[in-house]
Amino acid sequence: GENVEQHPSTLSVQEGDSAVIKCTYSDSASNYFPWYKQELGKRPQLIIDIRSNVGEKKDQRIAVTLNKTAKHFSLHITETQPEDSAVYFCAAHEGSNSGYALNFGKGTSLLVTP
Amino acid sequence: DSGVTQTPKHLITATGQRVTLRCSPRSGDLSVYWYQQSLDQGLQFLIQYYNGEERAKGNILERFSAQQFPDLHSELNLSSLELGDSALYFCASSPSSPGTRGNEQFFGPGTRLTVL
Repeated sequence: GENVEQHPSTLSVQEGDSAVIKCTYSDSASNYFPWYKQELGKRPQLIIDIRSNVGEKKDQRIAVTLNKTAKHFSLHITETQPEDSAVYFCAAHEGSNSGYALNFGKGTSLLVTP
Repeated sequence: DSGVTQTPKHLITATGQRVTLRCSPRSGDLSVYWYQQSLDQGLQFLIQYYNGEERAKGNILERFSAQQFPDLHSELNLSSLELGDSALYFCASSPSSPGTRGNEQFFGPGTRLTVL
């Protein structure tokens, strides 16, 4: 099955700096890569996603890039703010035809200090 | 608010017991997914239902089972509970249908299960 690795596990940046989180996946048939933000005790919230026919997608301060050849994708947050502090999860859509489950990375705990 | 609801919010029970977690998907969504989130294992996919039928199985234990009803709500049944089953259980829904891949999944608020 799909295996998603995520790095780093923790990331501390100063307010205004950029943050980058990287993920790799194993199943070359995976075609959908969402990113979720989870605040303490809350639900994972979809913040951005990218499909395999696109190399980059941007939404205000958040961008995601995908390199299908290398099987890795990254989340970029610019001009970080304290409210960006949370755990971020990458995921890859299972490439088989048996269903549409998401395989998640282990998460990155991002701390933005004022 | 994602539109996905889950009850109860918290559940405290003893080892060996059986519990039922309930999920109502967003209006119009036909697929329901169950995920388990524990500190050491992260978010793990358990099972998916689409329009009442099981579509995919992940790391779901034999002691666990689920179903989706005609009104599309879903229940996750956990039996013979062990201490290690303590976790947050999320359901997510999406409009995905056979042949449509890569649809967004929206998560409910979760049920925190504590097994003592």
